[in-house]
Amino acid sequence: AQSVTQLGSHVSVSEGALVLLRCNYSSSVPPYLFWYVQYPNQGLQLLLKYTSAATLVKGINGFEAEFKKSETSFHLTKPSAHMSDAAEYFCAVILMDTGRRALTFGSGTRLQVQP
Amino acid sequence: EAQVTQNPRYLITVTGKKLTVTCSQNMNHEYMSWYRQDPGLGLRQIYYSMNVEVTDKGDVPEGYKVSRKEKRNFPLILESPSPNQTSLYFCASSPRGFTDTQYFGPGTRLTVL
Repeated sequence: AQSVTQLGSHVSVSEGALVLLRCNYSSSVPPYLFWYVQYPNQGLQLLLKYTSAATLVKGINGFEAEFKKSETSFHLTKPSAHMSDAAEYFCAVILMDTGRRALTFGSGTRLQVQP
Repeated sequence: EAQVTQNPRYLITVTGKKLTVTCSQNMNHEYMSWYRQDPGLGLRQIYYSMNVEVTDKGDVPEGYKVSRKEKRNFPLILESPSPNQTSLYFCASSPRGFTDTQYFGPGTRLTVL
């Protein structure tokens, strides 16, 4: 079974519209959760991470994500998309009930922002 | 500047010709890791290292070797590359361990003919 699932490999929004990128995980124990962004021809950089301190996590560039244990979700949102947000976004988890000492990445969602 | 560097950035080679991709970080990080990125599959971990001389397999270690003789360097070795190792490779490091934020290098695009 997939440990982390990102719904929608491509998402297209208009500039100024809400951005919603979905991420669900499979674990009986709340994991560490991350969102990373990859701009074209670059490495990944951290947008935000959840480490159990607060369920609503604010990140860089106006992004935030909310951890919902009942839904095993960690969706990424931004109220108003900007052209510079066009990139690929990866949800990643560390599953504390597996013993793996590593991030497990989702398959990624490519965000397009239309003018 | 704090960074993770990888060399080369682009490499085209032929089946069976041994190659090494270097990775170096200047942040004194303990944890380092190699990933490969393939379309539709996200990033998959190849190997990781918790500290000097401590390495372990990730999800897709077959066909790869690593070593960690110094804290700053974590080279990825392909002893006999095959076309299915054509991919985009990323090195990453984090300060203390795998739960910390990971800092990624710029990537190495490898093509094996």
